[in-house]
Amino acid sequence: SQQGEEDPQALSIQEGENATMNCSYKTSINNLQWYRQNSGRGLVHLILIRSNEREKHSGRLRVTLDTSKKSSSLLITASRAADTASYFCATRMEYGNKLVFGAGTILRVKS
Amino acid sequence: NAGVMQNPRHLVRRRGQEARLRCSPMKGHSHVYWYRQLPEEGLKFMVYLQKENIIDESGMPKERFSAEFPKEGPSILRIQQVVRGDSAAYFCASSPRETVTNEKLFFGSGTQLSVL
Repeated sequence: SQQGEEDPQALSIQEGENATMNCSYKTSINNLQWYRQNSGRGLVHLILIRSNEREKHSGRLRVTLDTSKKSSSLLITASRAADTASYFCATRMEYGNKLVFGAGTILRVKS
Repeated sequence: NAGVMQNPRHLVRRRGQEARLRCSPMKGHSHVYWYRQLPEEGLKFMVYLQKENIIDESGMPKERFSAEFPKEGPSILRIQQVVRGDSAAYFCASSPRETVTNEKLFFGSGTQLSVL
């Protein structure tokens, strides 16, 4: 089964609003990463947070990690129509080589 | 500095034919991952390779699927005797030689396989 599960499955907001997506996982991790995918394209890396970090920022992105609850959230502030995409969390387990992806959140930002 | 290159972009095969998907990692990257994505779903890990070695193939179906990453040339994902259920987008990703653990992956644009 997938390691990461995102919620909500789909999110529709107005331009300028904030978007929050959540990710839960099952096993101990080395790091958690968020990726973005535009329709019909490959994934683009957004941000990586290590298991010993609690919060990280990159531009309009803010990621939190709670290892006790095995969960992470991605906040996009002041959303733009161009942020419309699917967002995936991915976990690299403590022992292992592969990056395991969740099912993703489809974000639609209306202008 | 080209990114991860996958070809073909679209591949149509009839049931029973073979599909060969190619992936050239970014320059200097010697780790390649293959993922499969069905519509409206996330990516499912298939296989992880380094040059001339398969490191983790735990996501690969036991039959009909194989992957290689030769010393020279691209990585190849090969699907023999394709069936309709193999229709999906197949993505390749690469990462640099060192410090695998905390590395992000660089993805290609994928190959959309359609089996008629």
